[in-house]
Amino acid sequence: GAVVSQHPSWVICKSGTSVKIECRSLDFQATTMFWYRQFPKQSLMLMATSNEGSKATYEQGVEKDKFLINHASLTLSTLTVTSAHPEDSSFYICSARDHVGRQGAGNTIYFGEGSWLTVV
Amino acid sequence: QKEVEQDPGPLSVPEGAIVSLNCTYSNSAFQYFMWYRQYSRKGPELLMYTYSSGNKEDGRFTAQVDKSSKYISLFIRDSQPSDSATYLCAMSAGTGNQFYFGTGTSLTVIP
Repeated sequence: GAVVSQHPSWVICKSGTSVKIECRSLDFQATTMFWYRQFPKQSLMLMATSNEGSKATYEQGVEKDKFLINHASLTLSTLTVTSAHPEDSSFYICSARDHVGRQGAGNTIYFGEGSWLTVV
Repeated sequence: QKEVEQDPGPLSVPEGAIVSLNCTYSNSAFQYFMWYRQYSRKGPELLMYTYSSGNKEDGRFTAQVDKSSKYISLFIRDSQPSDSATYLCAMSAGTGNQFYFGTGTSLTVIP
């Protein structure tokens, strides 16, 4: 299946600093990528939808100035958590939409491995 | 009403059992249906993909879609301890449309 790579897998940062998480589609072009946050034993919470070359669309309640999303190419989207605080500690996951389809999957999304962020 | 409803479980079965996981939905425009498996502390992995109604089989996994009842299922035959994970259903109306996820069902297969 399609591969989406997310980096770093885990990161620890000091309160007040910024951290960047990368999401790459390795074998397909993704015009649309999604960013999620997941708390322990809870479902995925969509944060924003990122379209290549345009501004991201944020879900209600998600601070766009805090969670900066850049989708500068068809294979790369980045999430930057600015001025991170301990309450931002979470599991962040990206996914990429595959329009072309592999094995008949014409419109589906593939997830990255996730990034654990701990703010101390 | 949520777009997608999924029983969170937890579901616990003995090894070798047949597992049935289900989701219901309210939007009749949904055409693309997916099942993902998520191991603890990992990103979800695409297991099965179905377009429109019908059945699809892949090894021990069978996905069923009943659009008339707005109901989808994932069956796991001869369940293994390695199947222990959270299973998420997801669906979409098509290209350019949002994906909607169930809350996930936690499955434990006991050796």
